[in-house]
Amino acid sequence: DAKTTQPNSMESNEEEPVHLPCNHSTISGTDYIHWYRQLPSQGPEYVIHGLTSNVNNRMASLAIAEDRKSSTLILHRATLRDAAVYYCILRALSGNTPLVFGKGTRLSVIA
Amino acid sequence: DTEVTQTPKHLVMGMTNKKSLKCEQHMGHRAMYWYKQKAKKPPELMFVYSYEKLSINESVPSRFSPECPNSSLLNLHLHALQPEDSALYLCASSRLWGRVGTFEKLFFGSGTQLSVL
Repeated sequence: DAKTTQPNSMESNEEEPVHLPCNHSTISGTDYIHWYRQLPSQGPEYVIHGLTSNVNNRMASLAIAEDRKSSTLILHRATLRDAAVYYCILRALSGNTPLVFGKGTRLSVIA
Repeated sequence: DTEVTQTPKHLVMGMTNKKSLKCEQHMGHRAMYWYKQKAKKPPELMFVYSYEKLSINESVPSRFSPECPNSSLLNLHLHALQPEDSALYLCASSRLWGRVGTFEKLFFGSGTQLSVL
């Protein structure tokens, strides 16, 4: 399986943008990039996913490098509620690829 | 209603006990999952059910026995567990499983924190 590499932890000030990086140098052409996050004492929740083009939704934006070997999850204005572990996950479009979590990045938000 | 409900929230059991974890969703999802998460580690997939049939068993020891009695309910029966099985057990569901060309978002419950003494 193609692997992802994320920093163990990051810190951000409240109300400032946060850029969470993910490296996936062995990504294949059919791998989509997914992001989930896990708030304290909660199960993971879906954030966003994309293939080649940048994607936006109400939670975040996903910026994907032109060579697709890296991507960045962007939280436009961090709040205390965004403190969580963020997981970058590659999933092949084969229909039966399970969601496999890597180590993720623990984001702390400072008031 | 986009909720996956897991009960109990906490469970303490001895190594000789038999207990069950329960997971319920009313979103009409036909795929359900069990994940295990040790402290400070990412979740690890255990089982996948699709249309009430077991599709994936990630070589889980037989002391963990899953059951999907209907499309809304998923159980995990526990018997003769070891202390190293203490973990957070997460249930998830998605609309479908195994449909080529689509991705299904997974919706997770808050988990059952299990302690085996």
